[in-house]
Amino acid sequence: GENVEQHPSTLSVQEGDSAVIKCTYSDSASNYFPWYKQELGKRPQLIIDIRSNVGEKKDQRIAVTLNKTAKHFSLHITETQPEDSAVYFCAAPGGYNFNKFYFGSGTKLNVKP
Amino acid sequence: DGGITQSPKYLFRKEGQNVTLSCEQNLNHDAMYWYRQDPGQGLRLIYYSQIVNDFQKGDIAEGYSVSREKKESFPLTVTSAQKNPTAFYLCASSEGQSNTEAFFGQGTRLTVV
Repeated sequence: GENVEQHPSTLSVQEGDSAVIKCTYSDSASNYFPWYKQELGKRPQLIIDIRSNVGEKKDQRIAVTLNKTAKHFSLHITETQPEDSAVYFCAAPGGYNFNKFYFGSGTKLNVKP
Repeated sequence: DGGITQSPKYLFRKEGQNVTLSCEQNLNHDAMYWYRQDPGQGLRLIYYSQIVNDFQKGDIAEGYSVSREKKESFPLTVTSAQKNPTAFYLCASSEGQSNTEAFFGQGTRLTVV
């Protein structure tokens, strides 16, 4: 089955700096890679996703890059703000017929004002 | 308000008792999932269902049971056989295969007292 590893587990940056979170996956057939943001005590919410037919996708201050050969994908947040502080999870599909999600262990991002 | 709803938000249970967590969605999604979240860990899959009247065990199904009698409902029962049930439980749904966005409920925090 799929194995998703996420690094780092915690990340502290100064407001205005960039933050990068990386994930690797094991199933070369995986074709969809979402990133979720979870604020304290709240539900995870999708912030950006990428499909395997593209290498990069941007949405304002957030971008995701995908390297299919190396089987890793990364979340990039530029010009970080205190409200970006949260736990971020990556995920990849797996299982028979890609019928379940596998999540990374999460990265706690702290943006210091 | 369309979405996925979990209830209750907080739940206390005495040791040895079974308890059922509710999950309802009005998104007309075929697939539904239950995840467990422990501090510092990612989301671990308990059970998932791709279609009504069918469900499959996830990675940590022992001590849990589910049913999927209706498309919109996927209740999770935490039985007395679950050795360490205190956790945050998240329900999610998606259109079908796991290459589409998953929508999460707000979670149920279960505490065994």
